[in-house]
Amino acid sequence: GQQLNQSPQSMFIQEGEDVSMNCTSSSIFNTWLWYKQEPGEGPVLLIALYKAGELTSNGRLTAQFGITRKDSFLNISASIPSDVGIYFCAGQGRNSGGSNYKLTFGKGTLLTVNP
Amino acid sequence: GAGVSQTPSNKVTEKGKYVELRCDPISGHTALYWYRQSLGQGPEFLIYFQGTGAADDSGLPNDRFFAVRPEGSVSTLKIQRTERGDSAVYLCASSPDRAGEQYFGPGTRLTVT
Repeated sequence: GQQLNQSPQSMFIQEGEDVSMNCTSSSIFNTWLWYKQEPGEGPVLLIALYKAGELTSNGRLTAQFGITRKDSFLNISASIPSDVGIYFCAGQGRNSGGSNYKLTFGKGTLLTVNP
Repeated sequence: GAGVSQTPSNKVTEKGKYVELRCDPISGHTALYWYRQSLGQGPEFLIYFQGTGAADDSGLPNDRFFAVRPEGSVSTLKIQRTERGDSAVYLCASSPDRAGEQYFGPGTRLTVT
């Protein structure tokens, strides 16, 4: 099946630093999404990207949908301790019968922020 | 407004038993998804409902797994003859009738002993 390669697997940074993580796929996706998951919780949607080349921001977070439709990156600026968690990328294809379809997830990037 | 809710939050069962996991989606969301997340992995797709019907059940691992959504709102994931390998967090998500933007519940942690 489809595979998403997410890197890095983990990051240890100091508060105030910027963070960059990315996701690549062997297949094309029509939508890319980024989620954050904290222990004992479900993934929380951060950013959704719908067009190749699209660059979208949500506060200190910025994500881009790659031109080839096979990759995406997420940047976090000026990290703070509450940014700690696991960040997942997810790609969504398109079912010929409709506009909602399953997500394929990467394995996640574990982010640790030292105050 | 209220998000996706799942019950129970934790379930411990013995090998061979039957379990039901419940998902209550965001009001008005027509699409509902079940995923399974093992330790250290991202969620993996199980089944997708559009309204009352299962539009795609290709992710269900075998015929011990079944899900229903009889009235197009609440969904129940049913696992028969549970095995230790079924231990995982079962996540439910819902979305409005458009691409992307799936909203997840907190999950049910299933442990099969």
